[in-house]
Amino acid sequence: NAGVMQNPRHLVRRRGQEARLRCSPMKGHSHVYWYRQLPEEGLKFMVYLQKENIIDESGMPKERFSAEFPKEGPSILRIQQVVRGDSAAYFCASSPLTQGFDGYTFGSGTRLTVV
Amino acid sequence: SQQGEEDPQALSIQEGENATMNCSYKTSINNLQWYRQNSGRGLVHLILIRSNEREKHSGRLRVTLDTSKKSSSLLITASRAADTASYFCATRAAYSGAGSYQLTFGKGTKLSVIP
Repeated sequence: NAGVMQNPRHLVRRRGQEARLRCSPMKGHSHVYWYRQLPEEGLKFMVYLQKENIIDESGMPKERFSAEFPKEGPSILRIQQVVRGDSAAYFCASSPLTQGFDGYTFGSGTRLTVV
Repeated sequence: SQQGEEDPQALSIQEGENATMNCSYKTSINNLQWYRQNSGRGLVHLILIRSNEREKHSGRLRVTLDTSKKSSSLLITASRAADTASYFCATRAAYSGAGSYQLTFGKGTKLSVIP
């Protein structure tokens, strides 16, 4: 079991470019959660997805950010027209169910640097 | 919204000593979890304690929960240099429904264990 896989590990983008972050959940997990960690901060919830459905995107900025979890393939967090303030570590977690689970399994994260 | 707050923000101890970190939160919880994050890496789930539990052990880790004070502590006994990391508490809300699956993280305690 490979765990939650995120790629790339590091991503550098110039201001105005697009960033695509990928997350493959653990085998058997159909729920994916994205969190963002700013320097010296804890993680902040962004979005929760199930296959082909966005369940809750209340933590995601209204503009430039989008997420998907297609029937086949990894979940994608997409940031359009990146700005310096988007520089952060983005973590993905997965779980088998929404209720009664015993903790998330997190990936190693993607560290986005906007120059 | 509830927020876990860890204290101290930073802790430096000698190898072999015990390390105690505290976490406070604001609203009713379903469970509280502790995670470790090595510098520049992902989060590792350490231990989960449910709201009806008062104490839990896992190896050298001991977690207590006082729901009347809305606080938790993580004790690492006989610390090792390899325990050097940031430690985060995260709470899951007591209510069910939208948003209940989110974890709310504190800013973490940076632990340095000096060999």
